[in-house]
Amino acid sequence: GQQLNQSPQSMFIQEGEDVSMNCTSSSIFNTWLWYKQDPGEGPVLLIALYKAGELTSNGRLTAQFGITRKDSFLNISASIPSDVGIYFCAGRGSQGNLIFGKGTKLSVKP
Amino acid sequence: EAGVTQFPSHSVIEKGQTVTLRCDPISGHDNLYWYRRVMGKEIKFLLHFVKESKQDESGMPNNRFLAERTGGTYSTLKVQPAELEDSGVYFCASSQGRLRANGYTFGSGTRLTVV
Repeated sequence: GQQLNQSPQSMFIQEGEDVSMNCTSSSIFNTWLWYKQDPGEGPVLLIALYKAGELTSNGRLTAQFGITRKDSFLNISASIPSDVGIYFCAGRGSQGNLIFGKGTKLSVKP
Repeated sequence: EAGVTQFPSHSVIEKGQTVTLRCDPISGHDNLYWYRRVMGKEIKFLLHFVKESKQDESGMPNNRFLAERTGGTYSTLKVQPAELEDSGVYFCASSQGRLRANGYTFGSGTRLTVV
């Protein structure tokens, strides 16, 4: 089945640093999404990408949909303590269901 | 508007017992999805309802799992009998249409621990 490879698995950074994480797939996706999960909560959508090559920003977050439609990255600039959480990439399957990566756990040291 | 509500938030049961999880989607959302995250792994799709009909149940692990959505409103996911490997966080999500993934809203999940 379709799988997403997300890296890194975890990151420990200092407040103020920039963060980058990425996902790759052997399959093509027409929609690529990035979610954040806070402890005890469900995933919340950060950015949705619909076109190959699309670069989209949401505040300090920037994400790009790869030209081949098989990869995406998410950058967080000038990290703050509330950025702590698990970040998931996801591709949308043909039936509307989402296929997720394993997540990147982000820890921010003040 | 109220979000997607899941109950209970936590459940600890013994192997062999039965557990029923409930999801109340956002009012008016015809599409309801169940997902599961086993510790340290990816969030995996279980099944998709459109109103009361099962549109896709290809992700259901085995016949110990039974999902229903009577009347097309709330949904239940029953695990009977529960096994140790069923432990994880079960998420429900709902959307009005299925074509735009940015319409997806997740609930806070039910953390199931089977001991």
